[in-house]
Amino acid sequence: AIQMTQSPSSLSASVGDRVTMTCRASQGIRDDLAWYQQKPGKAPKVLIYATSTLHSGVPSRFSGSGSGTDFTLTISSLQPEDSATYYCLQDYNYPWTFGQGTKVEIK
Amino acid sequence: QVQLVQSGAEVKKPGASVKVSCKASGYSFTSYYIHWVRQAPGQGLEWMGVINPSGGGTTTYAQKFQGRLTVTRDTSASTVYMELTSVTFEDTAMYYCARVFSSSSYFFDYWGQGTLVSVSS
Repeated sequence: AIQMTQSPSSLSASVGDRVTMTCRASQGIRDDLAWYQQKPGKAPKVLIYATSTLHSGVPSRFSGSGSGTDFTLTISSLQPEDSATYYCLQDYNYPWTFGQGTKVEIK
Repeated sequence: QVQLVQSGAEVKKPGASVKVSCKASGYSFTSYYIHWVRQAPGQGLEWMGVINPSGGGTTTYAQKFQGRLTVTRDTSASTVYMELTSVTFEDTAMYYCARVFSSSSYFFDYWGQGTLVSVSS
């Protein structure tokens, strides 16, 4: 199975900061990667799929990049409502695998 | 509107089986794969398996759950079922069903509300 390694596991930043988190795959996955946001007690929501395609209704401050094994999710200007845990998910092949998550806190 | 509605919370003893349902509405049931994802308390998301509701209901499971997990569907009821046997304390988790949007890319576009399965002696 493909292993997905996210970093950092947590971060704390101020409103307006640019925030970046990464996801590394144990083997190449083309651009078959999505990012999900999960808030406590809620189901995850997709932010970005196919590495860099913003899902409908997702604010443009979220962006994704990368290919092959290394991927990045960027929040260009952190907002209070972005406090959540973010997960990457590879859909290159089965079993699909999630990263372990990055928890974003607002200072 | 698209909805995935899951069955209610379950409490099971170790060694028992649990079956969770996921009823779909608002779309063509056989046109979208349904996956199961779980999340233990305070932990991350874990992919469990997938079913293609059309045709023969082909399934794929994570190796970790091989032999214990069975995902089935009832097309007449637009419902997918997830059964996990021989549960242990480590199976205590929130279980989600999720629909996959697929064209040239794949992602979970709709999720069920989650079903809490607690394993307790």
